[in-house]
Amino acid sequence: DTGVSQDPRHKITKRGQNVTFRCDPISEHNRLYWYRQTLGQGPEFLTYFQNEAQLEKSRLLSDRFSAERPKGSFSTLEIQRTEQGDSAMYLCASSPGLAGGSETQYFGPGTRLLVL
Amino acid sequence: AQSVTQPDIHITVSEGASLELRCNYSYGATPYLFWYVQSPGQGLQLLLKYFSGDTLVQGIKGFEAEFKRSQSSFNLRKPSVHWSDAAEYFCAVAIVTGGGNKLTFGTGTQLKVEL
Repeated sequence: DTGVSQDPRHKITKRGQNVTFRCDPISEHNRLYWYRQTLGQGPEFLTYFQNEAQLEKSRLLSDRFSAERPKGSFSTLEIQRTEQGDSAMYLCASSPGLAGGSETQYFGPGTRLLVL
Repeated sequence: AQSVTQPDIHITVSEGASLELRCNYSYGATPYLFWYVQSPGQGLQLLLKYFSGDTLVQGIKGFEAEFKRSQSSFNLRKPSVHWSDAAEYFCAVAIVTGGGNKLTFGTGTQLKVEL
């Protein structure tokens, strides 16, 4: 069990550019979550996948954001036409997919995005 | 709507002193509750969780938390703090949705430990 990994760890981009982040969950975890954490705040839910299906998206996920999990393993989060307000830490978490919600999410180290 | 309140933004304690971090939640159903710790620039590490059963739960690194339904609280405690405990602590409640559970976090409590 190597834990959840995220790549890159840091990203600096100019406003208007597109960025893509990758998350590799713990092996055989079938649920994968994305959260966003701005400075001084707790993480906020963005979206989650059950295998390859995206089951819920937050209002925070504007149409400039898209997430995929094409084969039910790794996931990507793309932000198009980045804005300075997108600067944040993007956290990925995975969980085994137990019924009823009584399960633990394991977090990756995060990708810190700075939009200039 | 569900929410989590951590009333203390910053707390400073001396090494060896006891610690209590407060957490209050608002949720209509039986909550699943968590405490996570975050070191600077890092992701979140689970300290402990409450799903059901014994309301006093033990976690890693000597932490414990007590679920009090009547007070809608889930306070985190440690009898003797170590300098390495300095970090940010987040309380969270899980909202079961479509089979998964999305976490709602508090704004965190930054712990400083004085030597």
